[in-house]
Amino acid sequence: DIQMTQSPSSLSASVGDRVTITCQASQDINSYLNWYQQKPGKAPKLLIYDASSLKRGVPSRFSGSGSGTDFTLTISSLQPEDIATFYCQQYSNLPYTFGQGTKLEIK
Amino acid sequence: QVQLHESGPGLVKPSETLSLTCIVSGGSISGYYWNWIRQPAGKGLEWIGRIYGTGSTKYNPSLKSRVTMSEDTSKNQFSLKLTSVTAADTAVYYCARGMEDGYNSSFEYWGQGAPVSVSS
Repeated sequence: DIQMTQSPSSLSASVGDRVTITCQASQDINSYLNWYQQKPGKAPKLLIYDASSLKRGVPSRFSGSGSGTDFTLTISSLQPEDIATFYCQQYSNLPYTFGQGTKLEIK
Repeated sequence: QVQLHESGPGLVKPSETLSLTCIVSGGSISGYYWNWIRQPAGKGLEWIGRIYGTGSTKYNPSLKSRVTMSEDTSKNQFSLKLTSVTAADTAVYYCARGMEDGYNSSFEYWGQGAPVSVSS
C-alpha cells in the first residue's frame, strides 16, 4: 500500500494567516491526489482533486500543488469557518489511502 | 442533487456480521463506482472497497477476506457486509461516490455516516 504522511499533525493559526499543510506519498503518485476538509460530526468534503484542481464551489483561498511524492494544500487567508481536520488521499493505486489528518485550530 | 444515506444496525456483537445499506437518491447507481469508507472515533479514514455494477468489486486487502459488497439497481442502493467483526471494526461507516468526468476516485458525494459499535 502507498503510505501518505501529512505534516504537521496539528496547527494553530490566526485569522488571515497563510496556512500550508504538506502530504508526502511513499512512492510516485503522479498527480493522483485529493484534499478533503472534515468538520466534527460531518462527512469529509472534497476541496481539491488531481492535486491542484479546485472543486467547483470551494473558495478560491484554497489551493493545491505538487506532483510525484510531495504535495501542498494552502489556505491563503485563514477564515474562522476553515477550522477542521484536513486529509490527503491518493488514488494512484488501490487500495486508496489517506493521510493521518492535520487538525487546524484558530490561535 | 445526488444524496446518499446509510442505514443499518448501530450495534453488532463480536464475531457476527455487520450489514449496511446505502440508499441513493437524485440519480441512478448504474454507471458509477460506489465506495465504502470508515473512520474509527478520533482517527483517520480507511477505504474499505468499491463496487461497479453487479460483478466488479475491489476490496482493501486488509479486509478482503471479510468484505462483500453488492448492488441492487431495482432499489437504487448498494450494500456492505463485514463478517467476523471485532471491536477494531467499531467506526463510522460512510458510503461515497466520485465526481463526474472520470474522477471516480475523488469522493464528492458522501452519506452522513453510520456509527457502528461492536460490543456484546
